[in-house]
Amino acid sequence: GAVVSQHPSWVICKSGTSVKIECRSLDFQATTMFWYRQFPKQSLMLMATSNEGSKATYEQGVEKDKFLINHASLTLSTLTVTSAHPEDSSFYICSARDLALGDRGYEQYFGPGTRLTVT
Amino acid sequence: EDQVTQSPEALRLQEGESSSLNCSYTVSGLRGLFWYRQDPGKGPEFLFTLYSAGEEKEKERLKATLTKKESFLHITAPKPEDSATYLCAVVSGGSYIPTFGRGTSLIVHP
Repeated sequence: GAVVSQHPSWVICKSGTSVKIECRSLDFQATTMFWYRQFPKQSLMLMATSNEGSKATYEQGVEKDKFLINHASLTLSTLTVTSAHPEDSSFYICSARDLALGDRGYEQYFGPGTRLTVT
Repeated sequence: EDQVTQSPEALRLQEGESSSLNCSYTVSGLRGLFWYRQDPGKGPEFLFTLYSAGEEKEKERLKATLTKKESFLHITAPKPEDSATYLCAVVSGGSYIPTFGRGTSLIVHP
Protein backbone atom coordinates (compact mmCIF):
# COMPACT_ATOMS: atom_id res chain seq x y z
CA GLY A 1 0.00 0.00 0.00
CA ALA A 2 0.80 3.75 -0.01
CA VAL A 3 2.26 3.87 -3.50
CA VAL A 4 3.04 7.16 -5.22
CA SER A 5 3.98 7.32 -8.88
CA GLN A 6 5.64 10.06 -10.88
CA HIS A 7 5.73 10.59 -14.59
CA PRO A 8 8.01 10.99 -16.40
CA SER A 9 10.92 9.43 -14.54
CA TRP A 10 13.32 11.51 -16.56
CA VAL A 11 13.00 14.28 -19.11
CA ILE A 12 15.34 16.35 -21.24
CA CYS A 13 14.06 19.65 -22.58
CA LYS A 14 15.44 22.69 -24.31
CA SER A 15 15.91 25.99 -22.56
CA GLY A 16 12.79 28.13 -22.73
CA THR A 17 10.30 25.28 -22.96
CA SER A 18 7.92 24.06 -20.27
CA VAL A 19 7.81 20.66 -18.65
CA LYS A 20 4.98 19.04 -16.71
CA ILE A 21 5.56 16.39 -14.05
CA GLU A 22 2.68 14.30 -12.73
CA CYS A 23 2.40 12.85 -9.25
CA ARG A 24 -0.28 10.28 -8.46
CA SER A 25 -1.23 8.46 -5.29
CA LEU A 26 -2.21 5.03 -6.58
CA ASP A 27 -3.90 3.32 -3.65
CA PHE A 28 -4.90 6.11 -1.32
CA GLN A 29 -6.34 9.58 -1.39
CA ALA A 30 -3.92 12.38 -0.61
CA THR A 31 -5.14 15.31 1.40
CA THR A 32 -1.85 17.04 0.86
CA MET A 33 0.91 16.65 -1.68
CA PHE A 34 4.40 18.06 -1.45
CA TRP A 35 6.98 18.90 -4.07
CA TYR A 36 10.67 18.69 -3.31
CA ARG A 37 13.84 19.42 -5.18
CA GLN A 38 17.05 17.59 -4.48
CA PHE A 39 20.55 18.47 -5.60
CA PRO A 40 23.30 15.82 -5.74
CA LYS A 41 24.34 14.59 -2.32
CA GLN A 42 22.05 17.06 -0.58
CA SER A 43 18.90 16.62 1.40
CA LEU A 44 15.37 17.37 0.25
CA MET A 45 14.37 20.97 -0.28
CA LEU A 46 10.65 21.58 0.05
CA MET A 47 9.36 23.71 -2.79
CA ALA A 48 5.63 23.82 -2.13
CA THR A 49 2.70 22.20 -0.42
CA SER A 50 -0.58 21.68 -2.20
CA ASN A 51 -4.03 20.76 -0.99
CA GLU A 52 -6.70 19.44 -3.31
CA GLY A 53 -8.79 22.21 -4.79
CA SER A 54 -6.81 25.09 -3.36
CA LYS A 55 -3.75 27.12 -4.30
CA ALA A 56 -0.35 25.78 -3.45
CA THR A 57 1.72 27.27 -0.67
CA TYR A 58 5.24 27.99 -1.84
CA GLU A 59 8.34 28.07 0.31
CA GLN A 60 10.34 31.24 0.54
CA GLY A 61 12.52 31.77 -2.48
CA VAL A 62 10.51 29.49 -4.79
CA GLU A 63 9.04 31.37 -7.75
CA LYS A 64 5.38 30.43 -7.98
CA ASP A 65 5.10 31.76 -11.53
CA LYS A 66 7.92 29.52 -12.62
CA PHE A 67 6.90 26.38 -10.78
CA LEU A 68 3.17 25.99 -11.34
CA ILE A 69 1.45 23.47 -9.12
CA ASN A 70 -2.03 22.13 -9.67
CA HIS A 71 -3.74 19.69 -7.31
CA ALA A 72 -6.85 18.88 -9.27
CA SER A 73 -7.96 15.78 -7.39
CA LEU A 74 -7.20 13.75 -4.28
CA THR A 75 -4.91 11.50 -6.30
CA LEU A 76 -3.17 13.84 -8.74
CA SER A 77 -0.87 16.82 -8.48
CA THR A 78 1.19 18.33 -11.27
CA LEU A 79 4.28 20.49 -11.28
CA THR A 80 4.96 22.54 -14.41
CA VAL A 81 8.37 24.11 -14.80
CA THR A 82 7.79 27.05 -17.11
CA SER A 83 10.42 28.59 -19.35
CA ALA A 84 12.97 26.13 -18.07
CA HIS A 85 16.63 27.08 -17.85
CA PRO A 86 19.71 24.93 -17.23
CA GLU A 87 19.75 25.97 -13.58
CA ASP A 88 16.35 24.27 -13.19
CA SER A 89 17.98 20.94 -13.90
CA SER A 90 17.50 18.84 -10.82
CA PHE A 91 15.79 15.83 -9.27
CA TYR A 92 12.17 16.61 -8.44
CA ILE A 93 10.33 14.41 -5.98
CA CYS A 94 6.71 14.52 -4.91
CA SER A 95 5.18 13.06 -1.79
CA ALA A 96 1.70 12.60 -0.45
CA ARG A 97 0.02 12.37 2.92
CA ASP A 98 -2.77 9.83 3.34
CA LEU A 99 -6.17 11.45 3.90
CA ALA A 100 -7.32 8.45 5.90
CA LEU A 101 -4.68 9.03 8.59
CA GLY A 102 -6.08 12.42 9.56
CA ASP A 103 -4.40 13.59 12.73
CA ARG A 104 -3.14 10.09 13.49
CA GLY A 105 -0.22 10.19 11.13
CA TYR A 106 1.99 12.66 9.37
CA GLU A 107 4.25 10.37 7.41
CA GLN A 108 4.68 11.11 3.75
CA TYR A 109 4.94 8.62 0.93
CA PHE A 110 7.32 9.60 -1.81
CA GLY A 111 7.29 9.11 -5.52
CA PRO A 112 10.32 7.72 -7.36
CA GLY A 113 11.39 11.16 -8.56
CA THR A 114 11.83 12.87 -11.92
CA ARG A 115 15.24 13.78 -13.28
CA LEU A 116 14.96 17.01 -15.28
CA THR A 117 17.78 18.09 -17.55
CA VAL A 118 17.49 21.41 -19.36
CA THR A 119 19.87 21.88 -22.26
CA GLU B 1 12.12 26.65 14.40
CA ASP B 2 12.51 22.89 14.27
CA GLN B 3 16.01 21.54 13.91
CA VAL B 4 17.12 18.06 12.92
CA THR B 5 20.75 16.97 12.98
CA GLN B 6 21.88 13.59 11.77
CA SER B 7 25.19 11.96 12.53
CA PRO B 8 27.45 10.69 11.28
CA GLU B 9 27.27 12.24 7.84
CA ALA B 10 28.73 9.08 6.36
CA LEU B 11 29.31 5.61 7.76
CA ARG B 12 31.19 2.68 6.32
CA LEU B 13 30.61 -0.75 7.81
CA GLN B 14 31.73 -4.26 7.08
CA GLU B 15 28.98 -6.75 6.43
CA GLY B 16 27.75 -8.02 9.78
CA GLU B 17 29.14 -5.06 11.74
CA SER B 18 26.23 -3.62 13.70
CA SER B 19 26.01 0.13 14.32
CA SER B 20 23.64 3.01 14.98
CA LEU B 21 22.69 6.20 13.22
CA ASN B 22 21.70 9.23 15.26
CA CYS B 23 19.02 11.86 14.73
CA SER B 24 18.96 14.72 17.24
CA TYR B 25 16.02 17.07 17.15
CA THR B 26 14.82 20.30 18.69
CA VAL B 27 11.10 20.90 18.28
CA SER B 28 8.15 22.42 20.04
CA GLY B 29 5.61 19.68 20.54
CA LEU B 30 6.70 16.60 18.63
CA ARG B 31 3.93 15.04 16.59
CA GLY B 32 6.05 12.41 14.94
CA LEU B 33 9.58 11.43 13.96
CA PHE B 34 10.11 9.59 10.71
CA TRP B 35 12.87 7.50 9.21
CA TYR B 36 13.26 7.07 5.48
CA ARG B 37 15.69 5.19 3.29
CA GLN B 38 16.79 6.72 -0.01
CA ASP B 39 18.67 4.87 -2.72
CA PRO B 40 20.61 6.87 -5.33
CA GLY B 41 18.34 8.31 -8.00
CA LYS B 42 15.16 7.29 -6.21
CA GLY B 43 12.62 8.85 -3.91
CA PRO B 44 12.78 8.19 -0.17
CA GLU B 45 11.13 5.01 1.09
CA PHE B 46 9.16 5.27 4.32
CA LEU B 47 10.52 3.08 7.13
CA PHE B 48 9.14 4.09 10.53
CA THR B 49 7.10 6.61 12.47
CA LEU B 50 7.78 7.16 16.17
CA TYR B 51 5.43 9.28 18.24
CA SER B 52 6.61 9.32 21.84
CA ALA B 53 9.73 8.78 23.93
CA GLY B 54 10.35 5.14 24.70
CA GLU B 55 8.71 3.91 21.53
CA GLU B 56 10.56 1.35 19.42
CA LYS B 57 9.85 -0.15 16.02
CA GLU B 58 11.57 -2.89 14.09
CA LYS B 59 11.74 -4.03 10.51
CA GLU B 60 14.10 -6.80 9.52
CA ARG B 61 17.61 -5.66 10.50
CA LEU B 62 16.48 -2.14 11.44
CA LYS B 63 15.28 -0.94 14.81
CA ALA B 64 14.29 2.66 15.53
CA THR B 65 14.13 4.11 19.02
CA LEU B 66 13.07 7.49 20.35
CA THR B 67 13.94 9.65 23.37
CA LYS B 68 12.89 13.19 24.13
CA LYS B 69 15.93 14.57 22.32
CA GLU B 70 17.02 12.02 19.76
CA SER B 71 16.28 8.92 17.78
CA PHE B 72 18.54 6.06 16.86
CA LEU B 73 18.33 3.76 13.91
CA HIS B 74 20.10 0.58 14.88
CA ILE B 75 21.28 -1.69 12.10
CA THR B 76 22.00 -5.23 13.17
CA ALA B 77 24.32 -7.39 11.08
CA PRO B 78 23.99 -5.18 8.02
CA LYS B 79 24.23 -6.48 4.49
CA PRO B 80 25.47 -4.68 1.37
CA GLU B 81 21.88 -4.14 0.28
CA ASP B 82 21.37 -1.95 3.34
CA SER B 83 23.66 0.61 1.72
CA ALA B 84 21.65 3.82 1.23
CA THR B 85 21.12 7.27 2.65
CA TYR B 86 18.93 7.26 5.74
CA LEU B 87 16.87 10.39 6.36
CA CYS B 88 15.25 11.50 9.57
CA ALA B 89 12.37 14.00 9.70
CA VAL B 90 10.13 15.53 12.37
CA VAL B 91 6.69 17.09 12.41
CA SER B 92 5.77 19.32 15.31
CA GLY B 93 3.29 21.80 16.66
CA GLY B 94 0.35 22.62 14.45
CA SER B 95 2.15 21.93 11.21
CA TYR B 96 2.11 18.79 9.10
CA ILE B 97 5.14 19.87 7.12
CA PRO B 98 8.23 17.86 8.08
CA THR B 99 11.71 19.14 8.73
CA PHE B 100 14.33 16.82 7.29
CA GLY B 101 17.87 16.19 8.42
CA ARG B 102 20.69 16.04 5.90
CA GLY B 103 20.88 12.28 6.09
CA THR B 104 23.48 9.63 6.83
CA SER B 105 25.08 7.89 3.90
CA LEU B 106 25.65 4.25 4.82
CA ILE B 107 27.92 1.96 2.85
CA VAL B 108 28.15 -1.70 3.83
CA HIS B 109 31.10 -3.54 2.36
CA PRO B 110 30.85 -7.28 1.67
